[in-house]
Amino acid sequence: GAGVSQSPRYKVAKRGQDVALRCDPISGHVSLFWYQQALGQGPEFLTYFQNEAQLDKSGLPSDRFFAERPEGSVSTLKIQRTQQEDSAVYLCASSLEDSRGETQYFGPGTRLLVL
Amino acid sequence: GENVEQHPSTLSVQEGDSAVIKCTYSDSASNYFPWYKQELGKRPQLIIDIRSNVGEKKDQRIAVTLNKTAKHFSLHITETQPEDSAVYFCAALTPLENNDMRFGAGTRLTVKP
Repeated sequence: GAGVSQSPRYKVAKRGQDVALRCDPISGHVSLFWYQQALGQGPEFLTYFQNEAQLDKSGLPSDRFFAERPEGSVSTLKIQRTQQEDSAVYLCASSLEDSRGETQYFGPGTRLLVL
Repeated sequence: GENVEQHPSTLSVQEGDSAVIKCTYSDSASNYFPWYKQELGKRPQLIIDIRSNVGEKKDQRIAVTLNKTAKHFSLHITETQPEDSAVYFCAALTPLENNDMRFGAGTRLTVKP
């Protein structure tokens, strides 16, 4: 079956612009995660959903970052008033169960460049 | 919170040799330790994982060992092949922490033919 998909794959934004990044998890996966991966670094946790509930958003770096998963499937990560330091790859991952100790399957990521 | 350190940051081996990557973690409550392989510009792919109730797990040429007392775990790749060249990330999950999946900084493995 299809894996986790993300769109767009690449996004160039001018500083101050709002962006929206989409994640389509594997069908039936309960848990969904967003990570931020800076160049040459490991993924850094941003936020976690169990179905439509956002159970943990402690990794979001500022109130300019907002994520939602209104129907418990597709998720959107929104970044308002983008800054240059927001440039990174944004990875989405999903797992079948509602435990964070389950295997996470990653999407291809969205590479965001803020000029 | 949890802190994961990974060494070395780069590793170069000859084809057929073994490669070992080590990670340490700080939170004794961490109980799940996955390893991901990430090729340039691609998504991280899970290659092996281990839970805290076992000390070793093997899958063909890949093995992971866990020492809970010392709080470190290692990835072992035997009979390396050029297609093993990638960046490898370890991670540790702490169920009681909010921000509970922490990744290491990665190891760039190069296998020379």
